[in-house]
Amino acid sequence: GQQLNQSPQSMFIQEGEDVSMNCTSSSIFNTWLWYKQDPGEGPVLLIALYKAGELTSNGRLTAQFGITRKDSFLNISASIPSDVGIYFCAGQLGNAGNMLTFGGGTRLMVKP
Amino acid sequence: NAGVMQNPRHLVRRRGQEARLRCSPMKGHSHVYWYRQLPEEGLKFMVYLQKENIIDESGMPKERFSAEFPKEGPSILRIQQVVRGDSAAYFCASSPGGGLDGELFFGEGSRLTVL
Repeated sequence: GQQLNQSPQSMFIQEGEDVSMNCTSSSIFNTWLWYKQDPGEGPVLLIALYKAGELTSNGRLTAQFGITRKDSFLNISASIPSDVGIYFCAGQLGNAGNMLTFGGGTRLMVKP
Repeated sequence: NAGVMQNPRHLVRRRGQEARLRCSPMKGHSHVYWYRQLPEEGLKFMVYLQKENIIDESGMPKERFSAEFPKEGPSILRIQQVVRGDSAAYFCASSPGGGLDGELFFGEGSRLTVL
């Protein structure tokens, strides 16, 4: 089956630093999404990418859909303590419903 | 506007018992998805349902697991004769249609612990 490799697995950074995480796949996806999950909660959608090469921003977040459609990255600028959580990339083929394939997650810890 | 509602939030069962997890999708959503998350891992797709129909159950274990989304009432994920390996967080998500916008709204999950 399809697999998404997400890296790094965890990051421990100082408040104010920029963060970058990425996701790669052995197969093509038609949509890439980035979710954030807080402890004890469900994932919340941060950014959705629909076209190869697309670069999209949402506040301090920026994400790009790779040209090959096999990768994506997420950047967070000027991190703050509430950025703490687990970030998941997810790919969607879109050929039958909205099933998503999730990466293993990047655990972000921010030191005030 | 109520989001996706899941209950119970926490469920403890002994080996061999049955677990029933419920999911009420967002208002106006007719597509429901169940995902399982093991500790320290990402979410794994289990099943996709529309009202009264199972569309894709390729992620469901062949035995002991079943799902339904009746015409009336919530979607139910049922696990019979639970084993310790079933301990996980089970998330339900809904979408308004089966389109390609990727917009799945997740509930807060049901955490199953099997003793």
